[in-house]
Amino acid sequence: GENVEQHPSTLSVQEGDSAVIKCTYSDSASNYFPWYKQELGKRPQLIIDIRSNVGEKKDQRIAVTLNKTAKHFSLHITETQPEDSAVYFCAASALDRGSTLGRLYFGRGTQLTVWP
Amino acid sequence: NAGVMQNPRHLVRRRGQEARLRCSPMKGHSHVYWYRQLPEEGLKFMVYLQKENIIDESGMPKERFSAEFPKEGPSILRIQQVVRGDSAAYFCASSGDRVYEQYFGPGTRLTVT
Repeated sequence: GENVEQHPSTLSVQEGDSAVIKCTYSDSASNYFPWYKQELGKRPQLIIDIRSNVGEKKDQRIAVTLNKTAKHFSLHITETQPEDSAVYFCAASALDRGSTLGRLYFGRGTQLTVWP
Repeated sequence: NAGVMQNPRHLVRRRGQEARLRCSPMKGHSHVYWYRQLPEEGLKFMVYLQKENIIDESGMPKERFSAEFPKEGPSILRIQQVVRGDSAAYFCASSGDRVYEQYFGPGTRLTVT
């Protein structure tokens, strides 16, 4: 099955700096890659996603890049703010494979702390 | 438009008791997924259900765990004869026909004493 690795496990940055979180995946059939943000004690929330037909997607201060050849994708947060502090999870899914339809494979998460 | 609802939010059970976790999907969603999150780990897929059908239960332990999504009412994840290792946060997600766009509930934190 799919195996998603996520690094680093913890990341501390100063307010205003950029933060980058990286994930790799093993299944070449995976073609959908969402990122979730989970604040302490709260539900995971989808913040951005990317499909394999594009290499980059941006939404204000957040961007995601995908390298299908190397099987890795990254989350970039610019101009970080204290409210960006949370655990971020990457995930992968194969949208075209009926046997695992609907299944998201998650990384172990990155605890991001933004210091004011 | 209410989001995904889960109850209870916290559940304490003694070893050997049964735990029932409920999930009501977002309005208009007919696909439900259950995930388990152990401390400091990512979410692990357990089961995917549609109304009255289990689509994929390959992530669920074969013993003591069962799930259903009846025609009426919430989806239920049932854990019989709980053990300490079942202590975790259990998240439910739902989606419409775009099954990859999953929206999560607030989770049920199960503690087995």
